[in-house]
Amino acid sequence: GAGVSQSPRYKVTKRGQDVTLRCDPISSHATLYWYQQALGQGPEFLTYFNYEAQPDKSGLPSDRFSAERPEGSISTLTIQRTEQRDSAMYRCASSLGGGQFGEQFFGPGTRLTVL
Amino acid sequence: AQSVTQPDIHITVSEGASLELRCNYSYGATPYLFWYVQSPGQGLQLLLKYFSGDTLVQGIKGFEAEFKRSQSSFNLRKPSVHWSDAAEYFCAVRRDDKIIFGKGTRLHILP
Repeated sequence: GAGVSQSPRYKVTKRGQDVTLRCDPISSHATLYWYQQALGQGPEFLTYFNYEAQPDKSGLPSDRFSAERPEGSISTLTIQRTEQRDSAMYRCASSLGGGQFGEQFFGPGTRLTVL
Repeated sequence: AQSVTQPDIHITVSEGASLELRCNYSYGATPYLFWYVQSPGQGLQLLLKYFSGDTLVQGIKGFEAEFKRSQSSFNLRKPSVHWSDAAEYFCAVRRDDKIIFGKGTRLHILP
């Protein structure tokens, strides 16, 4: 696509429910990143993919968080048994990758609110 | 540990005035440094980046930044701000294959 898209843009859920967020990167981009941005903070790294491989998931805050990119394009971030502290903006970014650290292009984000 | 510090949470300047947003980083080697802007309801947009070479880098929208190794700083500047520059600005540094962001500086513009 022309840019990085994310869906839904807003998600309200009740504590204990599972949620899945979606990221559709720029079509030619090999690398995809997920960030969590709490209110008043900068984005914090969660995990990233090179195509379908997930070299680093050190930023995932707990085992309730998981991400997939099975075909090396669209990615999902799933939060199981959501807690109020999971409320944040979740941002996805993509870059050309291929061994070069290139500019990351960010999507508009998904605002998650856990009640 | 590598980190990025933006000491100013909020800055207010008058339209047409000059701007400088401060950023300090801690990192052992030559850093890759970035400035991003986040407008309300928008994703983050890259303003400029420094990888090597000339320490004064030009970016989009009339912004520039200067890398000063001796001060571990990468301050963002603009000679004359416009009302449309009101946004949140993030300094960031590359660590391995990820970017570490500062907490941001929110810029307010007075008419």
